[in-house]
Amino acid sequence: QKEVEQNSGPLSVPEGAIASLNCTYSDRGSQSFFWYRQYSGKSPELIMFIYSNGDKEDGRFTAQLNKASQYVSLLIRDSQPSDSATYLCAVRIATSYGKLTFGQGTILTVHP
Amino acid sequence: DAGVIQSPRHEVTEMGQEVTLRCKPISGHDYLFWYRQTMMRGLELLIYFNNNVPIDDSGMPEDRFSAKMPNASFSTLKIQPSEPRDSAVYFCASSFRPTGELFFGEGSRLTVL
Repeated sequence: QKEVEQNSGPLSVPEGAIASLNCTYSDRGSQSFFWYRQYSGKSPELIMFIYSNGDKEDGRFTAQLNKASQYVSLLIRDSQPSDSATYLCAVRIATSYGKLTFGQGTILTVHP
Repeated sequence: DAGVIQSPRHEVTEMGQEVTLRCKPISGHDYLFWYRQTMMRGLELLIYFNNNVPIDDSGMPEDRFSAKMPNASFSTLKIQPSEPRDSAVYFCASSFRPTGELFFGEGSRLTVL
């Protein structure tokens, strides 16, 4: 089992819809969770991080964490074509203090 | 701040040649990370430094790879000899604390023929 797994995608949604991106992780000691966005040919950039169970909202983005189920998700409301990118889930575990492990990424396409 | 600066942006070389990738982290960031990204394996951590000292190099694929950080503003990742399977985008990232946000450079795209 991979340490961090994301739904394979690609995911295609119409403009204005909600895009739902999912991620599961294998290590119950995982402490913090990040979502990065990567445009084609560019470097990853942080969208959100979440440490506690529940929801965290930032503008059109909502991160959801369920540690019991070892599941983290990212919802993008009112999706825009500019949201089209690869979304990377990343997890940090307590025993590997500085190490951030990334999932394979989910390609999201928002069509007009 | 100029952000994390990597060079070269693109490198094409032949198998067996030595490759050196360079990184300048954001000033004041004590943590520096080298990642490799391929379609097959995604984004993998190779090594990271804290205050110029290597902390975890368990991701370095083999002895052909080496990384150094001689001072707080410069790091190198060297591959000698290079092989076609080393073809990837190599990202350098820095952070001011180990649990904080990673700031990535633009990456160095390496092609080994």
